[in-house]
Amino acid sequence: ILNVEQSPQSLHVQEGDSTNFTCSFPSSNFYALHWYRWETAKSPEALFVMTLNGDEKKKGRISATLNTKEGYSYLYIKGSQPEDSATYLCALTDGSGNTGKLIFGQGTTLQVKP
Amino acid sequence: EAGVAQSPRYKIIEKRQSVAFWCNPISGHATLYWYQQILGQGPKLLIQFQNNGVVDDSQLPKDRFSAERLKGVDSTLKIQPAKLEDSAVYLCATRGDRGLAGELFFGEGSRLTVL
Repeated sequence: ILNVEQSPQSLHVQEGDSTNFTCSFPSSNFYALHWYRWETAKSPEALFVMTLNGDEKKKGRISATLNTKEGYSYLYIKGSQPEDSATYLCALTDGSGNTGKLIFGQGTTLQVKP
Repeated sequence: EAGVAQSPRYKIIEKRQSVAFWCNPISGHATLYWYQQILGQGPKLLIQFQNNGVVDDSQLPKDRFSAERLKGVDSTLKIQPAKLEDSAVYLCATRGDRGLAGELFFGEGSRLTVL
């Protein structure tokens, strides 16, 4: 069973701080890497889906990079705002079996204090 | 475009009782997933459907959990009898037609508390 690890487990920052999280995964059987944001009492929503080594994606103040050879992805938030407070989930599309199953990490919970 | 609808949002039951969750996917999305998210852990796949066929149910505790997807549209997940360790958020998600790299669209989840 593939294992996806995220760190840190939780993070408390002040408004305006920049922060980053790590997602580690086995580089074999890689198909795609997803990042989701899950705010309390809402649905998880997709931030990025990356498939190519060296991919970099950006949406506003949030960006992500991917290294499939060494098996990691970073998510960066520049100038954190209170509305960025959420759990950030990383997930790997398992390339074996052709089912497209997503295997999730345990998440990083971010709290941004005003 | 309407999102993934789930109900109920919250459910509290005693252990050994039964419970059912319902999911209405985005129209046209063939792939449907049920995930279980226990507090402090990442979502764990319980079952994956492609239309109304089961693709993967290897982590579904089949002695107490069952799921079906009638006519390849709505899906229900049932737990009977419930155990304390079933307390979790049950997420339904669907995937569109962007292939295996496509993003998932989630419902808001059904939060189950077993006392």
